[in-house]
Amino acid sequence: DGGITQSPKYLFRKEGQNVTLSCEQNLNHDAMYWYRQDPGQGLRLIYYSQIVNDFQKGDIAEGYSVSREKKESFPLTVTSAQKNPTAFYLCASSIDSPGGGSNEQFFGPGTRLTVL
Amino acid sequence: AQKVTQAQTEISVVEKEDVTLDCVYETRDTTYYLFWYKQPPSGELVFLIRRNSFDEQNEISGRYSWNFQKSTSSFNFTITASQVVDSAVYFCAFLGGEDKFYFGSGTKLNVKP
Repeated sequence: DGGITQSPKYLFRKEGQNVTLSCEQNLNHDAMYWYRQDPGQGLRLIYYSQIVNDFQKGDIAEGYSVSREKKESFPLTVTSAQKNPTAFYLCASSIDSPGGGSNEQFFGPGTRLTVL
Repeated sequence: AQKVTQAQTEISVVEKEDVTLDCVYETRDTTYYLFWYKQPPSGELVFLIRRNSFDEQNEISGRYSWNFQKSTSSFNFTITASQVVDSAVYFCAFLGGEDKFYFGSGTKLNVKP
Protein backbone atom coordinates (compact mmCIF):
# COMPACT_ATOMS: atom_id res chain seq x y z
CA ASP A 1 0.00 0.00 0.00
CA GLY A 2 1.18 3.50 -0.73
CA GLY A 3 1.63 5.92 2.08
CA ILE A 4 3.84 7.74 4.50
CA THR A 5 5.51 6.01 7.40
CA GLN A 6 7.07 7.63 10.42
CA SER A 7 9.10 5.88 13.02
CA PRO A 8 9.19 5.49 15.87
CA LYS A 9 5.67 6.28 17.05
CA TYR A 10 6.92 7.25 20.52
CA LEU A 11 10.40 8.50 21.26
CA PHE A 12 12.04 9.43 24.52
CA ARG A 13 15.22 11.38 24.73
CA LYS A 14 17.42 12.71 27.46
CA GLU A 15 18.02 16.40 27.58
CA GLY A 16 21.07 17.37 25.53
CA GLN A 17 20.85 14.47 23.08
CA ASN A 18 20.25 14.71 19.38
CA VAL A 19 17.55 12.46 17.95
CA THR A 20 16.48 11.66 14.39
CA LEU A 21 12.90 11.08 13.32
CA SER A 22 12.31 8.99 10.24
CA CYS A 23 9.88 9.79 7.43
CA GLU A 24 9.51 7.62 4.34
CA GLN A 25 6.99 7.82 1.51
CA ASN A 26 6.34 5.53 -1.43
CA LEU A 27 3.86 7.82 -3.15
CA ASN A 28 6.48 9.17 -5.56
CA HIS A 29 5.80 12.65 -4.23
CA ASP A 30 8.30 15.39 -4.94
CA ALA A 31 7.64 17.59 -1.93
CA MET A 32 7.98 16.65 1.72
CA TYR A 33 7.36 18.60 4.92
CA TRP A 34 7.91 18.47 8.66
CA TYR A 35 5.47 20.03 11.10
CA ARG A 36 5.43 20.37 14.84
CA GLN A 37 2.18 20.22 16.80
CA ASP A 38 1.91 21.27 20.43
CA PRO A 39 -1.10 20.40 22.61
CA GLY A 40 -4.18 22.37 21.62
CA GLN A 41 -2.38 24.13 18.82
CA GLY A 42 -2.18 23.96 15.07
CA LEU A 43 0.70 22.80 12.93
CA ARG A 44 3.84 24.82 12.53
CA LEU A 45 6.17 24.25 9.61
CA ILE A 46 9.75 23.28 10.50
CA TYR A 47 11.34 22.46 7.15
CA TYR A 48 10.21 21.50 3.68
CA SER A 49 11.82 20.08 0.58
CA GLN A 50 10.57 20.41 -2.97
CA ILE A 51 13.22 18.27 -4.67
CA VAL A 52 16.06 15.96 -3.73
CA ASN A 53 19.12 17.61 -2.22
CA ASP A 54 17.26 20.83 -1.59
CA PHE A 55 15.26 22.06 1.40
CA GLN A 56 14.06 25.31 2.95
CA LYS A 57 13.48 26.52 6.46
CA GLY A 58 9.94 26.87 7.67
CA ASP A 59 8.68 29.08 10.46
CA ILE A 60 10.41 27.33 13.37
CA ALA A 61 13.59 25.77 11.95
CA GLU A 62 15.91 26.72 14.81
CA GLY A 63 17.24 23.67 16.61
CA TYR A 64 16.30 21.30 13.79
CA SER A 65 18.07 19.93 10.73
CA VAL A 66 17.00 17.84 7.76
CA SER A 67 18.42 16.06 4.74
CA ARG A 68 16.87 14.96 1.46
CA GLU A 69 19.28 12.53 -0.14
CA LYS A 70 16.54 10.38 -1.60
CA LYS A 71 13.13 11.31 -2.97
CA GLU A 72 11.35 8.95 -0.62
CA SER A 73 13.11 9.93 2.60
CA PHE A 74 13.17 13.14 4.62
CA PRO A 75 14.61 12.56 8.12
CA LEU A 76 14.39 15.26 10.77
CA THR A 77 17.05 15.68 13.45
CA VAL A 78 16.07 17.40 16.66
CA THR A 79 19.28 18.81 18.06
CA SER A 80 20.22 19.74 21.58
CA ALA A 81 19.86 23.36 20.51
CA GLN A 82 16.09 22.98 20.39
CA LYS A 83 15.00 24.40 23.75
CA ASN A 84 11.61 22.78 24.01
CA PRO A 85 11.52 19.70 21.79
CA THR A 86 8.69 17.78 23.47
CA ALA A 87 5.91 17.73 20.88
CA PHE A 88 4.11 15.71 18.24
CA TYR A 89 5.93 15.71 14.90
CA LEU A 90 4.12 15.16 11.64
CA CYS A 91 5.64 14.47 8.25
CA ALA A 92 3.73 15.15 5.05
CA SER A 93 4.21 14.92 1.32
CA SER A 94 2.53 16.26 -1.79
CA ILE A 95 2.77 15.48 -5.49
CA ASP A 96 4.81 18.58 -6.21
CA SER A 97 5.63 21.85 -4.60
CA PRO A 98 2.66 24.01 -3.62
CA GLY A 99 3.58 26.49 -6.31
CA GLY A 100 3.00 23.82 -8.90
CA GLY A 101 -0.66 23.49 -8.11
CA SER A 102 -3.18 22.99 -5.41
CA ASN A 103 -2.07 19.59 -4.28
CA GLU A 104 -3.15 18.55 -0.84
CA GLN A 105 -0.66 17.17 1.61
CA PHE A 106 -0.78 13.59 2.81
CA PHE A 107 0.31 13.03 6.37
CA GLY A 108 2.11 10.27 8.22
CA PRO A 109 0.93 8.93 11.59
CA GLY A 110 3.30 11.16 13.54
CA THR A 111 6.02 10.70 16.15
CA ARG A 112 5.49 11.82 19.72
CA LEU A 113 8.80 13.00 21.16
CA THR A 114 9.23 13.39 24.90
CA VAL A 115 12.35 14.85 26.45
CA LEU A 116 13.01 13.48 29.93
CA ALA B 1 0.74 37.76 5.57
CA GLN B 2 -1.70 34.90 5.51
CA LYS B 3 -3.67 33.87 8.53
CA VAL B 4 -6.23 31.21 9.32
CA THR B 5 -8.47 31.54 12.36
CA GLN B 6 -10.59 28.84 13.89
CA ALA B 7 -12.21 30.65 16.78
CA GLN B 8 -13.93 27.58 18.21
CA THR B 9 -11.41 25.75 20.36
CA GLU B 10 -13.74 22.93 21.35
CA ILE B 11 -17.34 21.99 20.56
CA SER B 12 -19.47 19.33 22.21
CA VAL B 13 -22.66 17.99 20.67
CA VAL B 14 -24.92 15.04 21.16
CA GLU B 15 -25.08 12.42 18.44
CA LYS B 16 -27.41 13.28 15.54
CA GLU B 17 -27.08 17.00 16.09
CA ASP B 18 -25.78 19.16 13.25
CA VAL B 19 -22.59 21.10 13.92
CA THR B 20 -20.74 23.82 12.01
CA LEU B 21 -17.02 24.45 12.34
CA ASP B 22 -15.94 27.95 11.45
CA CYS B 23 -12.87 28.98 9.49
CA VAL B 24 -11.91 32.54 8.62
CA TYR B 25 -8.83 33.46 6.61
CA GLU B 26 -6.91 36.60 5.77
CA THR B 27 -5.01 37.12 2.55
CA ARG B 28 -4.26 39.59 -0.20
CA ASP B 29 -3.71 36.83 -2.73
CA THR B 30 -6.27 36.53 -5.49
CA THR B 31 -5.50 32.89 -6.17
CA TYR B 32 -5.45 30.53 -3.25
CA TYR B 33 -6.70 27.21 -1.98
CA LEU B 34 -8.48 26.19 1.18
CA PHE B 35 -8.48 22.79 2.82
CA TRP B 36 -10.07 20.92 5.68
CA TYR B 37 -8.32 18.09 7.49
CA LYS B 38 -9.52 15.72 10.21
CA GLN B 39 -7.18 14.53 12.98
CA PRO B 40 -8.61 11.55 14.85
CA PRO B 41 -7.10 10.48 18.19
CA SER B 42 -4.55 8.34 16.33
CA GLY B 43 -2.86 11.58 15.24
CA GLU B 44 -2.69 11.27 11.49
CA LEU B 45 -4.28 14.10 9.53
CA VAL B 46 -6.83 13.00 6.96
CA PHE B 47 -7.58 15.18 3.96
CA LEU B 48 -11.27 16.06 3.58
CA ILE B 49 -11.63 18.73 0.92
CA ARG B 50 -9.81 21.27 -1.25
CA ARG B 51 -11.42 24.39 -2.67
CA ASN B 52 -9.86 27.03 -4.94
CA SER B 53 -10.58 30.73 -4.68
CA PHE B 54 -12.46 30.86 -7.97
CA ASP B 55 -15.00 28.24 -7.05
CA GLU B 56 -17.53 29.43 -4.51
CA GLN B 57 -19.97 26.62 -5.06
CA ASN B 58 -20.90 24.86 -1.90
CA GLU B 59 -20.02 21.21 -1.78
CA ILE B 60 -21.76 18.29 -0.16
CA SER B 61 -20.27 14.88 0.46
CA GLY B 62 -22.54 12.61 2.41
CA ARG B 63 -23.05 14.15 5.84
CA TYR B 64 -20.33 16.74 5.21
CA SER B 65 -20.89 20.09 3.53
CA TRP B 66 -18.72 23.13 3.01
CA ASN B 67 -19.76 26.75 2.61
CA PHE B 68 -17.14 28.97 0.95
CA GLN B 69 -17.86 32.71 0.97
CA LYS B 70 -15.18 35.03 -0.37
CA SER B 71 -17.16 38.09 0.74
CA THR B 72 -16.63 37.13 4.36
CA SER B 73 -13.37 35.19 3.85
CA SER B 74 -14.91 32.13 5.40
CA PHE B 75 -14.82 28.44 4.63
CA ASN B 76 -17.14 26.75 7.10
CA PHE B 77 -17.64 23.04 7.52
CA THR B 78 -20.94 21.46 8.57
CA ILE B 79 -21.50 17.91 9.74
CA THR B 80 -25.12 16.83 9.54
CA ALA B 81 -26.46 14.21 11.93
CA SER B 82 -23.14 13.91 13.75
CA GLN B 83 -21.84 10.54 14.89
CA VAL B 84 -19.44 9.52 17.62
CA VAL B 85 -16.88 8.62 14.95
CA ASP B 86 -16.82 12.26 13.92
CA SER B 87 -15.06 13.10 17.18
CA ALA B 88 -11.69 14.52 16.22
CA VAL B 89 -9.75 17.73 15.82
CA TYR B 90 -10.53 19.50 12.56
CA PHE B 91 -8.07 21.83 10.89
CA CYS B 92 -8.68 24.43 8.23
CA ALA B 93 -5.67 25.28 6.05
CA PHE B 94 -4.72 27.92 3.48
CA LEU B 95 -2.33 27.72 0.54
CA GLY B 96 -1.52 30.88 -1.38
CA GLY B 97 1.26 32.47 -3.36
CA GLU B 98 3.91 31.91 -0.71
CA ASP B 99 3.96 28.18 -1.43
CA LYS B 100 3.39 27.38 2.23
CA PHE B 101 0.44 25.87 4.01
CA TYR B 102 -1.01 27.85 6.88
CA PHE B 103 -3.05 25.86 9.37
CA GLY B 104 -5.60 27.12 11.84
CA SER B 105 -5.27 26.14 15.48
CA GLY B 106 -7.92 23.47 15.10
CA THR B 107 -11.37 22.80 16.56
CA LYS B 108 -11.84 19.79 18.77
CA LEU B 109 -15.23 18.20 18.18
CA ASN B 110 -16.68 15.91 20.82
CA VAL B 111 -19.74 13.94 19.77
CA LYS B 112 -21.42 12.26 22.69
CA PRO B 113 -23.70 9.25 22.33
